[in-house]
Amino acid sequence: DAGVTQSPTHLIKTRGQQVTLRCSPKSGHDTVSWYQQALGQGPQFIFQYYEEEERQRGNFPDRFSGHQFPNYSSELNVNALLLGDSALYLCASSPGQAIILNTEAFFGQGTRLTVV
Amino acid sequence: SQQGEEDPQALSIQEGENATMNCSYKTSINNLQWYRQNSGRGLVHLILIRSNEREKHSGRLRVTLDTSKKSSSLLITASRAADTASYFCATAPSNTGKLIFGQGTTLQVKP
Repeated sequence: DAGVTQSPTHLIKTRGQQVTLRCSPKSGHDTVSWYQQALGQGPQFIFQYYEEEERQRGNFPDRFSGHQFPNYSSELNVNALLLGDSALYLCASSPGQAIILNTEAFFGQGTRLTVV
Repeated sequence: SQQGEEDPQALSIQEGENATMNCSYKTSINNLQWYRQNSGRGLVHLILIRSNEREKHSGRLRVTLDTSKKSSSLLITASRAADTASYFCATAPSNTGKLIFGQGTTLQVKP
């Protein structure tokens, strides 16, 4: 049973460019959340998708957007990249509409984004 | 912003010793979870303790939760070099589906 898979594992982009990160949730999970982890910090919640809609959002600008597909996979898009967007981006999946997160979240290995 | 703080920020012990990490948080929670992260890679779930539970065990792990003090602790007994990692507590606040992480504790276990 595959866990949460993310692609690519590493990415280097130039300031001002746009980037798309991808996530496939664990089998049987239909809720996907995205987190940003800066070096030396704990992960910070970006947003959560369920039934192809953004359900909850953290304190991130509109440059951060996402999408969920009918097969529950998800994309994170970041426009107009800034140097400060350099971070590890983590995808987490969980079962059911996680209005209240009652279960563990399963995390992927992350995408390391470097903006130069 | 981070939910709370973890203490200590860094911990170095010898193999076989016990390691204790503490976590404090600010809001009411549905549950609290502990995760491990090796070398900046993905997070591995260790244990979940619900707000109505006070203590939970899983193998060499023991977690306590004190909701009156808004704090939790993670005890790793008989530590091994393979336990070297960063450990994060994460709270699931009431009525939200997100996890709020602390800054983490970096544990080094020397062989």
